[in-house]
Amino acid sequence: GAVVSQHPSWVICKSGTSVKIECRSLDFQATTMFWYRQFPKQSLMLMATSNEGSKATYEQGVEKDKFLINHASLTLSTLTVTSAHPEDSSFYICSARDPAGGENGWQFFGPGTRLTVL
Amino acid sequence: GQNIDQPTEMTATEGAIVQINCTYQTSGFNGLFWYQQHAGEAPTFLSYNVLDGLEEKGRFSSFLSRSKGYSYLLLKELQMKDSASYLCAVMDSNYQLIWGAGTKLIIKP
Repeated sequence: GAVVSQHPSWVICKSGTSVKIECRSLDFQATTMFWYRQFPKQSLMLMATSNEGSKATYEQGVEKDKFLINHASLTLSTLTVTSAHPEDSSFYICSARDPAGGENGWQFFGPGTRLTVL
Repeated sequence: GQNIDQPTEMTATEGAIVQINCTYQTSGFNGLFWYQQHAGEAPTFLSYNVLDGLEEKGRFSSFLSRSKGYSYLLLKELQMKDSASYLCAVMDSNYQLIWGAGTKLIIKP
């Protein structure tokens, strides 16, 4: 089945620093990738939709200048949290859409990145 | 607006059967998905329904009624490892996934 990796799995950083999270589709080309954020005991919240070679589409309320998304290739999208603050501490999950679609859910999720900002 | 409703929390006994309901109102419909999410982990795909009826996969089954905007996930022979959150999601006319808030399932011995 399709595999999506995410790196790093967890990161602890000081307030004011920037953190980059990578999302890779390992065995398929993903024209579309999604970035989600999940706070404790809450559901997934879509932050942005990333299309290869074009600008990401951000959901309402998500600051595009703070959460920089780059989808430079068909297998890699990156999310950079700039000038991170403690309120940005969350579980960040990416998913990639398999163009083949089918009944396997269309979206395959990475394992997530736990960000803690001190 | 678009809306997905599912119970916040359910409790069941090991070995029993539990049904988690999901109702939806979305702009268009391209299928309904159920995902399982253990604490601290990413969601994992369980099932996909696009036509009315019941889809069975081992201990898990999922049902869909498009006319009623309703689905359920049925878990049989519950095991302790089934304790998790179960997320209902609908793909709308733009092929965007609309997520429910999830149902936390607690399994007791």
